[in-house]
Amino acid sequence: GENVEQHPSTLSVQEGDSAVIKCTYSDSASNYFPWYKQELGKGPQLIIDIRSNVGEKKDQRIAVTLNKTAKHFSLHITETQPEDSAVYFCAASREYKLSFGAGTTVTVRA
Amino acid sequence: NAGVTQTPKFQVLKTGQSMTLQCAQDMNHNSMYWYRQDPGMGLRLIYYSASEGTTDKGEVPNGYNVSRLNKREFSLRLESAAPSQTSVYFCASRREGDTQYFGPGTRLTVL
Repeated sequence: GENVEQHPSTLSVQEGDSAVIKCTYSDSASNYFPWYKQELGKGPQLIIDIRSNVGEKKDQRIAVTLNKTAKHFSLHITETQPEDSAVYFCAASREYKLSFGAGTTVTVRA
Repeated sequence: NAGVTQTPKFQVLKTGQSMTLQCAQDMNHNSMYWYRQDPGMGLRLIYYSASEGTTDKGEVPNGYNVSRLNKREFSLRLESAAPSQTSVYFCASRREGDTQYFGPGTRLTVL
């Protein structure tokens, strides 16, 4: 089955700086790559996604890049704010079934 | 729209007890999913239902059963709970396309 690895497991950044989270996947047939944000005690919430026919996608302060050849995709958050503190999960999808990374706990220091 | 709702929010069971976790969605989605979330392991797929009347195993189905009661509801049953099933359980539903929407979760402790 699909194996998704996510790094780093924890990330502490100064408010205003950028945060980058990286994921790799193993199944070349995976074709959809969402990123979820999870706040304490809540369910995961989709923040951005990218499909395999696209190399980069941006939504305000959040961007995702995909390198299909290397089976690698990344989340970039610019101008971080305290409300960006949360756990972030990457995932890879094949046939509408998601495989998740282990998560990155992001802390934004004021 | 309430989106995806789950009941109960919290549950404590003794080893060997049974229980059913309930999930409902009001978005008219065809597909529904059950995941479990354990520390340091992300979310893992237990079972899914591509459409009303169909269910399939995911990555970690052992010890669980599911029922797709109708298009709105998808329940997860633990017949004989074990401490290894202590986890947070999430239900999700999917519209046509790829995006899955998650419920708030059920935190289950098995003693």
